[in-house]
Amino acid sequence: RKEVEQDPGPFNVPEGATVAFNCTYSNSASQSFFWYRQDCRKEPKLLMSVYSSGNEDGRFTAQLNRASQYISLLIRDSKLSDSATYLCVVNTRNTGFQKLVFGTGTRLLVSP
Amino acid sequence: DAGVTQSPTHLIKTRGQHVTLRCSPISGHKSVSWYQQVLGQGPQFIFQYYEKEERGRGNFPDRFSARQFPNYSSELNVNALLLGDSALYLCASSLAELAGKGDTEAFFGQGTRLTVV
Repeated sequence: RKEVEQDPGPFNVPEGATVAFNCTYSNSASQSFFWYRQDCRKEPKLLMSVYSSGNEDGRFTAQLNRASQYISLLIRDSKLSDSATYLCVVNTRNTGFQKLVFGTGTRLLVSP
Repeated sequence: DAGVTQSPTHLIKTRGQHVTLRCSPISGHKSVSWYQQVLGQGPQFIFQYYEKEERGRGNFPDRFSARQFPNYSSELNVNALLLGDSALYLCASSLAELAGKGDTEAFFGQGTRLTVV
């Protein structure tokens, strides 16, 4: 079983739609949680951190459920520029060091 | 300010050869991590270096090695290349050992795209 699991998609949505991505992680000792965005043939970039209380950044809302080991990302009013791969990322302490563990990514395609 | 820089950007090698990839972290960042991203997958952790010491290693064979220099730049070496080593190799730097947000956010370079033929 992968440490971080995501639906690879693609999710095809029209402009203005609301879309939600989900992610589960297996290591209960995971400490920090993030969503990264990766454009085609580019490097990943931090989109937002995820907190248990839920957090919002403009059109983006992230949520963490530690009990279910479940992370979500909601994008409202989708824009063409939101088309990208969204990576669910967990920071896990492993035998004395910390590493980022990435899911496979969920591809989003926003069409006119 | 320069971000994380990696060289070369693209590389083609033959099976059995070795390769050295280079990374310069953001100025002042002491932590460098290496990741391998195969097409269609998320990045996979290879190594972390902090203050010039190896702090962690992922599930990669001994053909993979790395080091960090006094100026905090880093090299990733791969020996006896296999076709399966073809991937985007990403370097990430952060101020602290912990890769999080704010002062500890991990910033990625544009990567080195390695093709083994």
